[in-house]
Amino acid sequence: EAEVAQSPRYKITEKSQAVAFWCDPISGHATLYWYRQILGQGPELLVQFQDESVVDDSQLPKDRFSAERLKGVDSTLKIQPAELGDSAMYLCASSLNPGTTNEKLFFGSGTQLSVL
Amino acid sequence: AQSVTQPDIHITVSEGASLELRCNYSYGATPYLFWYVQSPGQGLQLLLKYFSGDTLVQGIKGFEAEFKRSQSSFNLRKPSVHWSDAAEYFCAVGSPNNDMRFGAGTRLTVKP
Repeated sequence: EAEVAQSPRYKITEKSQAVAFWCDPISGHATLYWYRQILGQGPELLVQFQDESVVDDSQLPKDRFSAERLKGVDSTLKIQPAELGDSAMYLCASSLNPGTTNEKLFFGSGTQLSVL
Repeated sequence: AQSVTQPDIHITVSEGASLELRCNYSYGATPYLFWYVQSPGQGLQLLLKYFSGDTLVQGIKGFEAEFKRSQSSFNLRKPSVHWSDAAEYFCAVGSPNNDMRFGAGTRLTVKP
């Protein structure tokens, strides 16, 4: 079965440094999501793309976070500068039919970020 | 905006016993409801979903969930738990504009 690919699997960085995460959704999935999951909590949506356009980034801390999906396929999430509170699992998901009865999100394995 | 509450942070059941995980949602219209499972260090896997129709939904791995509009609930059940079911379970509510919100999760421990 096709999977959502994410890299790196783990990332350790010092505060004030820049970090970037990469996601390659399932082929043909136009909708791509970035979620942040803090330990002990449920995933929180950071940004949603439809093709190359941002549909929802209301929860994205735009002073330090940025996301792009230039060609409407893979996506990069960047944090600059990283803060201690950014330590979390960053999950990417993709969907073929958002908002329909065939809706199903496919999640990647995530990038575990530790900020020291 | 919609929201989800999972009242139980951690549940422990014996292998072979029945399981019910609670989920309550808040949403003004008919919600899209989901249950996901997450093993340690992994992404989330969809167990089942409800959009409309029969309020009792069957999912993978022997799980089922029942939508009760009057109680704003979507509880997950399994008649006999296996040791491999130990994981974190997340209830989620979505909307037609695809704004999906997750609960805080319930961690399931299975005793031998």
